[in-house]
Amino acid sequence: NAGVTQTPKFQVLKTGQSMTLQCAQDMNHNSMYWYRQDPGMGLRLIYYSASEGTTDKGEVPNGYNVSRLNKREFSLRLESAAPSQTSVYFCASTPRRQGARYEQYFGPGTRLTVT
Amino acid sequence: KQEVTQIPAALSVPEGENLVLNCSFTDSAIYNLQWFRQDPGKGLTSLLLIQSSQREQTSGRLNASLDKSSGRSTLYIAASQPGDSATYLCAVSAGGGGSNYKLTFGKGTLLTVNP
Repeated sequence: NAGVTQTPKFQVLKTGQSMTLQCAQDMNHNSMYWYRQDPGMGLRLIYYSASEGTTDKGEVPNGYNVSRLNKREFSLRLESAAPSQTSVYFCASTPRRQGARYEQYFGPGTRLTVT
Repeated sequence: KQEVTQIPAALSVPEGENLVLNCSFTDSAIYNLQWFRQDPGKGLTSLLLIQSSQREQTSGRLNASLDKSSGRSTLYIAASQPGDSATYLCAVSAGGGGSNYKLTFGKGTLLTVNP
């Protein structure tokens, strides 16, 4: 069991470039989440997917799009990167099924720098 | 809007001390509360999860308590060790356990245990 995996681990972009952050989980979890972590701001929710086929905005969705490709995969896309999107991005998943503890599991993160 | 506050922001203690980290939240209508550990440059690791109907959870030298009505949780670490040095994050669920399940995080407490 790899748990939650994220690619890439590091990325440097120039302003205006686009990229997609990939996330996959092998725990058969229903819900998946994207967060960003910034110094002094803590973790903030960007988008989440309660179940396959659904996505919803979190606290800071502007400048991002997501795709729940299937039950395992949830990607985050930056269409036109801005320096304000320099951050560490974490993907997470939660079982969210009858009788399960709604414990959240995190990936190792992607460190993104936009110059 | 749920807000989570963690006090203190940083704590430095000598090895062997028992210590308490505090977490408070503004909306008592939570589904559960989770304590995480984050090592520098790494993702989050779940330490303890307390359901809203529970008062405490224990794992090894860690004990987490929950007083939902007053909006407070504490993480007690017994006999601290240098390996406990990390940032500790508290998170509460927003609302119930259905499709709206998502976490709101505090900014964390940076713990340093000195040999």
